[in-house]
Amino acid sequence: GAGVSQSPRYKVAKRGQDVALRCDPISGHVSLFWYQQALGQGPEFLTYFQNEAQLDKSGLPSDRFFAERPEGSVSTLKIQRTQQEDSAVYLCASSSPTGGLYNEQFFGPGTRLTVL
Amino acid sequence: AQSVSQHNHHVILSEAASLELGCNYSYGGTVNLFWYVQYPGQHLQLLLKYFSGDPLVKGIKGFEAEFIKSKFSFNLRKPSVQWSDTAEYFCAVNDPPNFGNEKLTFGTGTRLTIIP
Repeated sequence: GAGVSQSPRYKVAKRGQDVALRCDPISGHVSLFWYQQALGQGPEFLTYFQNEAQLDKSGLPSDRFFAERPEGSVSTLKIQRTQQEDSAVYLCASSSPTGGLYNEQFFGPGTRLTVL
Repeated sequence: AQSVSQHNHHVILSEAASLELGCNYSYGGTVNLFWYVQYPGQHLQLLLKYFSGDPLVKGIKGFEAEFIKSKFSFNLRKPSVQWSDTAEYFCAVNDPPNFGNEKLTFGTGTRLTIIP
């Protein structure tokens, strides 16, 4: 597609439910990032993939959070036993090496998760 | 760990006024610096970036930012704002430049409202 897409755009979950958030990066982009944006805050890094390899998961807040990218394209962020503090917008971004100093990250529209 | 401060949480200006949004970061070494913008209902977009060289960088839509290393600052400026500049603005840092893993640290954002 033309940009990064995410689904669903909105998700309401009851506390304790498991949720799965999907990210479709720009075709051919090697790197994929997940960020969490709480209300009134800036995005915070969760995890990073290069192709199918998860190279950095230092930002995942707990072991309830799990991300995968099995074929190096689509990625899924899974949150088990959701808690109210998980309510946030989850952003996905992708980038591709250009040989320059920095590879621009292109962001998707986000998934707004509300945990009741 | 790196942190980014945006001291202006909400700025309200009239059209044609000049704009300056503050951004300070904590890491004292080599950094890449960015400003992202999020227009209402849209996803995050890159406004401008600084890697090295001329500390005054120009971005899209007439925006510019100045990197002052001694002050750990990267303030965003525009000489004359328009109603269409109404948006949320985020300063971000890539710390330190990790080629291949350009995870970003964001500030909390500044909401800019332009009054026609």
